[in-house]
Amino acid sequence: EAEVAQSPRYKITEKSQAVAFWCDPISGHATLYWYRQILGQGPELLVQFQDESVVDDSQLPKDRFSAERLKGVDSTLKIQPAELGDSAMYLCASSPRTFGYGYTFGSGTRLTVV
Amino acid sequence: EDQVTQSPEALRLQEGESSSLNCSYTVSGLRGLFWYRQDPGKGPEFLFTLYSAGEEKEKERLKATLTKKESFLHITAPKPEDSATYLCAVQAPGTDKLIFGTGTRLQVFP
Repeated sequence: EAEVAQSPRYKITEKSQAVAFWCDPISGHATLYWYRQILGQGPELLVQFQDESVVDDSQLPKDRFSAERLKGVDSTLKIQPAELGDSAMYLCASSPRTFGYGYTFGSGTRLTVV
Repeated sequence: EDQVTQSPEALRLQEGESSSLNCSYTVSGLRGLFWYRQDPGKGPEFLFTLYSAGEEKEKERLKATLTKKESFLHITAPKPEDSATYLCAVQAPGTDKLIFGTGTRLQVFP
């Protein structure tokens, strides 16, 4: 069964350092999402890509977060500088263009900022 | 503002004891309602999509139903392996964005 790959699985970083997460969606999936899930809460959308273009980044804290999907395949999410409040699970998901298809999520990257 | 509220926050069941999880939503036109299962330390796993009031979908011991204001996830004769957090999400017209509730944490004991 096809999977969304994410790395690393866990990341511990010090406050004010830079950190990056990588996502490889299911082959052929044009739409890619980055969600953030704080412990005990539901996931919240950070950014959505359609191919290589950003469709929605209204909830992305752009002063410190950036995301790219240069060739419309894999994607990188970066935080610089990291803050204590950024500690969370960062989830990547992908879906085909067809509406109504449930997203497929990756296993996520658990970030701890100390 | 589009909003999703799930109840109860946590549910403990004996194996075989059937029950229901609730998802109430407020959205300006529902494009779809999604149920996901999430195991600790993992990403959500897709279960169902419902589109219109009256629709029902089933998968093994799970059955999801939808009305104009809420959705229910019925669990029949649960087993310990059904223990997980169940997340509900809605999708509004004109967007692919999912708005999630905070989930119901289900524990099934032998």
